[in-house]
Amino acid sequence: SQKIEQNSEALNIQEGKTATLTCNYTNYSPAYLQWYRQDPGRGPVFLLLIRENEKEKRKERLKVTFDTTLKQSLFHITASQPADSATYLCALAGDSSASKIIFGSGTRLSIRP
Amino acid sequence: DSGVTQTPKHLITATGQRVTLRCSPRSGDLSVYWYQQSLDQGLQFLIQYYNGEERAKGNILERFSAQQFPDLHSELNLSSLELGDSALYFCASSVEAGGITDTQYFGPGTRLTVL
Repeated sequence: SQKIEQNSEALNIQEGKTATLTCNYTNYSPAYLQWYRQDPGRGPVFLLLIRENEKEKRKERLKVTFDTTLKQSLFHITASQPADSATYLCALAGDSSASKIIFGSGTRLSIRP
Repeated sequence: DSGVTQTPKHLITATGQRVTLRCSPRSGDLSVYWYQQSLDQGLQFLIQYYNGEERAKGNILERFSAQQFPDLHSELNLSSLELGDSALYFCASSVEAGGITDTQYFGPGTRLTVL
C-alpha cells in the first residue's frame, strides 16, 4: 500500500542553522508534492508545491527538492529562527484531484535560540 | 488568519449522536474541502465541493455527509457518532477546483470529542 514517511522524532536545530526535513514515499508515483506548516491547534498553512518534473523549488528561506528516483523530498529552511518552530507536513498526489492527496504524519521542528 | 471560518470551535457529544460542522470559505473561493485529523490517522481528505457540486471524494464514511449551499458555505454532517470519530475537522477553501494544484487555505478547525 502507499506509504509516506516523515521523521517521526522531533528535530532540534540551533538558530541560524539550516533545518532539513525528509519526506519518503513507497508504492507511489506522485505527480505533485506539497509542504505545509502546522502550529499546535491550528490549521495547516500551505508553503510550497513542487511537480514531478521539477527538481527544486525555492521561496525566500525555503527550498524543496523532489527526487522521483529516490522517492524522496527534502525541505530546507535556511537561517532558521525560533519562529520557524512548528510541525511540517508533506502531502503527495498522483494527479491534481483532491481525492488523491495523502499526507505524511509530520515532523516537529524546534529551533532553539 | 486564513479568512476561512469554522464553527463551532469545540464540540463534545455522546456516541450515537449527530452533529453538524459549519464552514465559510474565503471571499471569492468556490471550492471547499473537508479533512479529518486524528492522532493515529493523521490528516485525511474527506470530500470536496466546487460551486455547490461534489467534486472529489476521499475515504469519507457513509455516516458522514456534506453539502455546499448557494452562498458557498458548507456543512459536514456526522451521524451515529463513535468514539473513533473524535478528531480535529478542518475545512479549507481555494479559488478553483484544482485540488492539490490550488493553494488551499485552512480554517482553524473544529475539535470534536465523542464520549
